[in-house]
Amino acid sequence: EAGVTQFPSHSVIEKGQTVTLRCDPISGHDNLYWYRRVMGKEIKFLLHFVKESKQDESGMPNNRFLAERTGGTYSTLKVQPAELEDSGVYFCASSPRQFSYNEQFFGPGTRLTVL
Amino acid sequence: KQEVTQIPAALSVPEGENLVLNCSFTDSAIYNLQWFRQDPGKGLTSLLLIQSSQREQTSGRLNASLDKSSGRSTLYIAASQPGDSATYLCAVQTGANNLFFGTGTRLTVIP
Repeated sequence: EAGVTQFPSHSVIEKGQTVTLRCDPISGHDNLYWYRRVMGKEIKFLLHFVKESKQDESGMPNNRFLAERTGGTYSTLKVQPAELEDSGVYFCASSPRQFSYNEQFFGPGTRLTVL
Repeated sequence: KQEVTQIPAALSVPEGENLVLNCSFTDSAIYNLQWFRQDPGKGLTSLLLIQSSQREQTSGRLNASLDKSSGRSTLYIAASQPGDSATYLCAVQTGANNLFFGTGTRLTVIP
């Protein structure tokens, strides 16, 4: 069974540009999460999808971040326009079944550097 | 607001030694606690998941305990090996269904 995959693995952009990160969860997993780790800090929750619906987006830092999950499959996280403080590692995770507190499986992350 | 603390931040031990990593959390209303391993430049690998009703979980040389009422968990690694060198993260899952992470303990096992 394939794990959670993320693309790209690294992205270097200039301040003001737009970047789109992609996450493909484990097939059949209803829950999809985005997390972020900025330098020196702990990993923090950004948002949670159940299938194609946003269940919780309380961790999104501001309206420059837009997440979508088309058809309840893969998800994208767009940052527009990017700022210096957006640099960090963005992780995606998935877990099976709705409304269940299951183990979350993480992808390898996308390292975003904003110059 | 849930806060997760891991002590120590870094730990170096000689190969073969048994060791304990600590994790504490401020709000005991959790559903489960997960221990992860992260290798440099890599993603998170789940090691153990303890449900709130459980006291411990074991996998090979790893044993994780949970004392929910006191807000503490420990990860015990027996007979450490150089391949165990990594950052170990604990995370708790709350009613909001997302994970709250600690900042991790960076473990180095010296051959």
